Amino acid sequence: NAGVTQTPKFQVLKTGQSMTLQCAQDMNHNSMYWYRQDPGMGLRLIYYSASEGTTDKGEVPNGYNVSRLNKREFSLRLESAAPSQTSVYFCASREQFHSNQPQHFGDGTRLSIL
Amino acid sequence: QQQVKQSPQSLIVQKGGISIINCAYENTAFDYFPWYQQFPGKGPALLIAIRPDVSEKKEGRFTISFNKSAKQFSLHIMDSQPGDSATYFCAASYQTGANNLFFGTGTRLTVIP
Repeated sequence: NAGVTQTPKFQVLKTGQSMTLQCAQDMNHNSMYWYRQDPGMGLRLIYYSASEGTTDKGEVPNGYNVSRLNKREFSLRLESAAPSQTSVYFCASREQFHSNQPQHFGDGTRLSIL
Repeated sequence: QQQVKQSPQSLIVQKGGISIINCAYENTAFDYFPWYQQFPGKGPALLIAIRPDVSEKKEGRFTISFNKSAKQFSLHIMDSQPGDSATYFCAASYQTGANNLFFGTGTRLTVIP
C-alpha cells in the first residue's frame, strides 16, 4: 500500500522556470493538501482540495496554482519559480474534509531554485 | 504569525530519559491537537493526538498532557530510545473553514545511547 506518492523527489530549477509537482494517493481519500516546509517555520498550507472538483487557498498561496485532476491526484504548479520558493513540498490526504482524522503525508519533493 | 508556538528547538536526551516538548496556542477554537514525528527524508507521520475534553492521553511510551486553561499541551516520551531521534511537530486544527493543520516550528530530538 503506497499511501501518498510524490514525484519528483528532488528538483533544481532556474529562476523563472516552471514546473509541476505531482501527488497521488491510493487510499480513496476525499481531501488533499499541499504544504511547504522551511527551516524554523514548520509546515505551512499552500492550497487544499476539500473534495474532487474543488480547490482553495491556504496560508501561503502566492506564486502557486493547483489542479485536482481526479480523486487520486492533486498537482502543484510553479509558473515562474523564484528563489523564495526553495523548500521541501509535502502533499497530504485525509479521508474526509471536516473531520479530525489524521492527514497522511508523502515523503516530499525537495526543490531548489537558483 | 505563528499560531502554535513550540519549544525547545532542539533537545538532547540520554537513552532511558524523559523527553519533554511543549506547545502553546492562542486560538480557543482549536479542537484537535496532534503530534507528528518526522524522520530525515520522510514526511511527517501522526504519532498521537488529543482533543481538549481530556487532560491526558497515553499510547505506549508517548503521553500528551493538555492544559486547556493555560492553552498549552506537551509531549512526553518516556524511556527515550535512540530510535526516537527525529523531529517532532505539534499542531492544532478546528473543524471549520480550511480545517487545516497549523504546525509548530518543530523540535529536533537526539537520544544519545
